[in-house]
Amino acid sequence: NAGVTQTPKFQVLKTGQSMTLQCAQDMNHEYMSWYRQDPGMGLRLIHYSVGAGITDQGEVPNGYNVSRSTTEDFPLRLLSAAPSQTSVYFCASSYRSVGYEQFFGPGTRLTVL
Amino acid sequence: KNQVEQSPQSLIILEGKNCTLQCNYTVSPFSNLRWYKQDTGRGPVSLTIMTFSENTKSNGRYTATLDADTKQSSLHITASQLSDSASYICVVSGGEYGNKLVFGAGTILRVKS
Repeated sequence: NAGVTQTPKFQVLKTGQSMTLQCAQDMNHEYMSWYRQDPGMGLRLIHYSVGAGITDQGEVPNGYNVSRSTTEDFPLRLLSAAPSQTSVYFCASSYRSVGYEQFFGPGTRLTVL
Repeated sequence: KNQVEQSPQSLIILEGKNCTLQCNYTVSPFSNLRWYKQDTGRGPVSLTIMTFSENTKSNGRYTATLDADTKQSSLHITASQLSDSASYICVVSGGEYGNKLVFGAGTILRVKS
């Protein structure tokens, strides 16, 4: 099992550009989520999904979109990048809900100039 | 407000020494508490998960304790190794609908030779 994979590992964008961060898991987990990690702060939830076709907003959803067309994939779209979105992004999955162990991907380091 | 606070923010110890990291939380109702290890440039990896009824849980040289009455947890690392250098994150699951994960900001541990 590859676990949770994320691409790209690094990305530099200019303000206003859009892009998609990819996330995939091969553990047949129902629950998937996106977090951002900023210095001196705990991970903050952006969006999550409890199954294919179902998504919902987390704590900091503005500027981001998600979709879940398959169990395996959960891409995160930045609509119009802003410097405030410079961060490290982690995708995570778990068996059914946050009550179960979360498995994290390796992260994507995004810089917006 | 649901919060998780960790102390100290950072710690430097000599290889072979023991150390203890602290976590205080206000998340209510409480479901479980987790400790994660995050190596530089990588995603968090689970060390332990403890429910309300568990006071102590070990994973090799890592031992976590939980006092649900005082809402405190600690992570004790025995005979530290250089590979223990990482950020250690305390995460509490719970909240009104049992669907919240609240992350601490982490303790950065550096083990010196």
